[in-house]
Amino acid sequence: ETGVTQSPTHLIKTRGQQVTLRCSSQSGHNTVSWYQQALGQGPQFIFQYYREEENGRGNFPPRFSGLQFPNYSSELNVNALELDDSALYLCASSSGADTYEQYFGPGTRLTVT
Amino acid sequence: AQRVTQPEKLLSVFKGAPVELKCNYSYSGSPELFWYVQYSRQRLQLLLRHISRESIKGFTADLNKGETSFHLKKPFAQEEDSAMYYCALKSGGFKTIFGAGTRLFVKA
Repeated sequence: ETGVTQSPTHLIKTRGQQVTLRCSSQSGHNTVSWYQQALGQGPQFIFQYYREEENGRGNFPPRFSGLQFPNYSSELNVNALELDDSALYLCASSSGADTYEQYFGPGTRLTVT
Repeated sequence: AQRVTQPEKLLSVFKGAPVELKCNYSYSGSPELFWYVQYSRQRLQLLLRHISRESIKGFTADLNKGETSFHLKKPFAQEEDSAMYYCALKSGGFKTIFGAGTRLFVKA
């Protein structure tokens, strides 16, 4: 059984640029949730994808968008990067949209300069 | 507003001492509450959920709806319990709201 993987591990972008982060869900899981974790804070829910559809969204602007593919892997896209977007981005997969147990990836550390 | 509050950023105890990590929540409805743990250089993982009422690694947590609390307790802390602990609330079936976390440091 393969765990949740994320790529890249780290990246540095300039304000105003766009970024795409990737997540491969655990085998057998059809749901991916994305979180933003700023330094010293807990993860903040961005959105969830269930069977390729956005299933719910937190308090993030539309420049945060996502996709889920038929193999249930997912992308998080952030446009017009701002300095405050610097954070650790976590994805978590689960076997259903309302299943309580989610498995987290190692995260992608994004730095915006 | 739905919110999870962990009032302590850092908790330091001696090995063998009891430990209690505090968590308070704000939620209109029946809450589903969890504790997650992140050990050094490991991923965030689920420790326990209130519905199962189980003890994991000696930790227990009781939901107190009157005080809107879900404190995590262990009678005798071990050095390997040192980690970051997050209290979390599941909202609307899909959204998980995390607290800011408490770093537990168990001294030898």
